[in-house]
Amino acid sequence: DAGVIQSPRHEVTEMGQEVTLRCKPISGHNSLFWYRQTMMRGLELLIYFNNNVPIDDSGMPEDRFSAKMPNASFSTLKIQPSEPRDSAVYFCASSRLGVGELFFGEGSRLTVL
Amino acid sequence: SQKIEQNSEALNIQEGKTATLTCNYTNYSPAYLQWYRQDPGRGPVFLLLIRENEKEKRKERLKVTFDTTLKQSLFHITASQPADSATYLCALDSGNRDDKIIFGKGTRLHILP
Repeated sequence: DAGVIQSPRHEVTEMGQEVTLRCKPISGHNSLFWYRQTMMRGLELLIYFNNNVPIDDSGMPEDRFSAKMPNASFSTLKIQPSEPRDSAVYFCASSRLGVGELFFGEGSRLTVL
Repeated sequence: SQKIEQNSEALNIQEGKTATLTCNYTNYSPAYLQWYRQDPGRGPVFLLLIRENEKEKRKERLKVTFDTTLKQSLFHITASQPADSATYLCALDSGNRDDKIIFGKGTRLHILP
């Protein structure tokens, strides 16, 4: 079975541009998480979904960030407009509800110039 | 506020010795605690999960303890090998019996040959 698939793996963009990160969770998993990792702050939870419904978005930094999960096999994290401080590695992870063990993708490394 | 602390940013251990990593938490009552391994440029990989009513769990050369009175987990790697060098992250559920999982910043472990 394929793991969690994220795209793009690397993105370099200029301040003010819109960035869209994509995630395909493992088939059969019904929880999906978006994390952001930096050296300073570690792995921060941005938002998570259960059965495609956003449960907790308290970690989303500000209104520039939005996340959607239109169906069980696809989620997006959008930043509009992007700023240099958004530069980080963004991870998507999925799991079976109530199990706890997370399966991570390889991450999307975002650089905003 | 809720906080997870891992004992040190980096730890150097001689090959063959036991490596012990610490995870402390405050203002939580988690139902379970997890340990993950992360290699450079990769996503975290799940290692072990221990529940609040379990004192100890083992998997091959790995051992995890969970003391809910001390609010601490210890992660041991016995007979350590250079291939064990990586960053190790502890993670807890939020304590609200939901699926929100929060991570510590991690400890970089170096096993010296």
